[in-house]
Amino acid sequence: SSELTQDPAVSVALGQAVRITCRGDSLRTYFASWYQQKPGQAPVFVIYGENNRPSGIPDRFSGSSSGDTASLTITGVQAEDEADYYCNSRDSTGNHRVFGGGTKLTVL
Amino acid sequence: QVQLQQWGAGLLKASETLSLTCAVYGGSFSGYDWTWIRQPPGKGLEWIGEGHHSGSTNYNPSLKSRVSISVDTSKNQFSLKLSSVTAADTAVYFCARVCSSGWYNWFDPWGQGTLVTV
Repeated sequence: SSELTQDPAVSVALGQAVRITCRGDSLRTYFASWYQQKPGQAPVFVIYGENNRPSGIPDRFSGSSSGDTASLTITGVQAEDEADYYCNSRDSTGNHRVFGGGTKLTVL
Repeated sequence: QVQLQQWGAGLLKASETLSLTCAVYGGSFSGYDWTWIRQPPGKGLEWIGEGHHSGSTNYNPSLKSRVSISVDTSKNQFSLKLSSVTAADTAVYFCARVCSSGWYNWFDPWGQGTLVTV
C-alpha cells in the first residue's frame, strides 16, 4: 500500500466544486504535486503548492496543504476534468518519491 | 518547449532485462534529474527511480536490486534497465523530467509511455 492515501473515487456535479485529498505523514514536511491522467494518455502535471500551475492548466485548479493532508480543488468542474488524479511527494524517510493510489473523478 | 521521446522493447520473456531510453528535445538537459515511472494495467503510478547528469541515482527501495538508471549528457538521453523481469513488471513505463523550485518538486513533461509486456 502507498504511503500517500487518496480516496479511490469521487463524484461531482457539473459546475460544482470538488476537493481531492492526499494524506500521509510525510506531507507534514514535504509538499505535494498533482497529476491528471485521462484514459490511454500520459499523466499531465497540474499543480504544485497552492497556485503554481503550468501554462494551459485552468485557474479553476488550486492546491492547498494542512498538516498531513494535501488537497487539489477544482471549482466550476467541467466535463473534461473527468480523469484520474494522482498526488506525489516524498516517502516517510524523505529519501524517495511516492505516488498516492489515485482518485477517479467522475463528473455527473 | 521540452519534449521527451521514449522507446524500447515492448515484449520480454521472464528473466530477461527490460531496457528503455528517453531522449530530451528542445531544452536544457544538464542540471535536472530525470525519472522513470510505471503503471501496471488498470493500476496506479509507481515511481521507479531517477538519475542526475552528475551520475547520482535514487531508486525505489522495492526495485533497487534490479534497476539501473543512466544519464548520457552527450546525447541528451537517459535510460532504464530492469533485470530479471517477471509478469509483475508488465506495465506502461513513462519517462519524465524532475523540476524543482525550493522545497517543491514536480514531474514535467512526461514521455508518451511504452507498454512493456512480460
